[in-house]
Amino acid sequence: AQTVTQSQPEMSVQEAETVTLSCTYDTSESDYYLFWYKQPPSRQMILVIRQEAYKQQNATENRFSVNFQKAAKSFSLKISDSQLGDAAMYFCAYSSPFYGGATNKLIFGTGTLLAVQP
Amino acid sequence: DTAVSQTPKYLVTQMGNDKSIKCEQNLGHDTMYWYKQDSKKFLKIMFSYNNKELIINETVPNRFSPKSPDKAHLNLHINSLELGDSAVYFCASSQEIVNAEQYFGPGTRLTVT
Repeated sequence: AQTVTQSQPEMSVQEAETVTLSCTYDTSESDYYLFWYKQPPSRQMILVIRQEAYKQQNATENRFSVNFQKAAKSFSLKISDSQLGDAAMYFCAYSSPFYGGATNKLIFGTGTLLAVQP
Repeated sequence: DTAVSQTPKYLVTQMGNDKSIKCEQNLGHDTMYWYKQDSKKFLKIMFSYNNKELIINETVPNRFSPKSPDKAHLNLHINSLELGDSAVYFCASSQEIVNAEQYFGPGTRLTVT
């Protein structure tokens, strides 16, 4: 069964600085999707960034980028120029693209609570 | 316009009661999901439906019964509520069952007293 591990329960960053959130996963599949979701205090789950495992190029969305290391099964999120609005719980998630069965679901890590200091 | 909506946003009820949470999406997606987020913020899939057909039932007690009257709606009915059912329940949807980019509703915080 696939698992997702986020080893940093809490992180803190100064406004305008860069922070990296770690995520590792375990799977025997060769093709899958990885995501980072943000959950601010409003509790709304917001998709931050997505990576397809077959793509070697790291995904980027404005200030958010990932470092995807397939062999190491690592998927870290880098937030550049951190802003106060980035303060939230961040969840790493795994999903298999194959149809049917128990694989069609998001498997979440335990989350990293990011604080942004002014 | 809200893409994925849930009602109610807050629900307080007593043990033993039966309650329902409604979910609607206006994105035209084929697949809908229910997730449970516990007090430690851990999120776990409960159910998924594709074109009104149950695809995933993730070892959820049979007190929980999802119902999908059409592709745009997925409701969750809970019988005989227990203290351990207190959690935030999220509805989500995705365009295709194999494309797992999911869009979440605002969540329903259920408190069982």
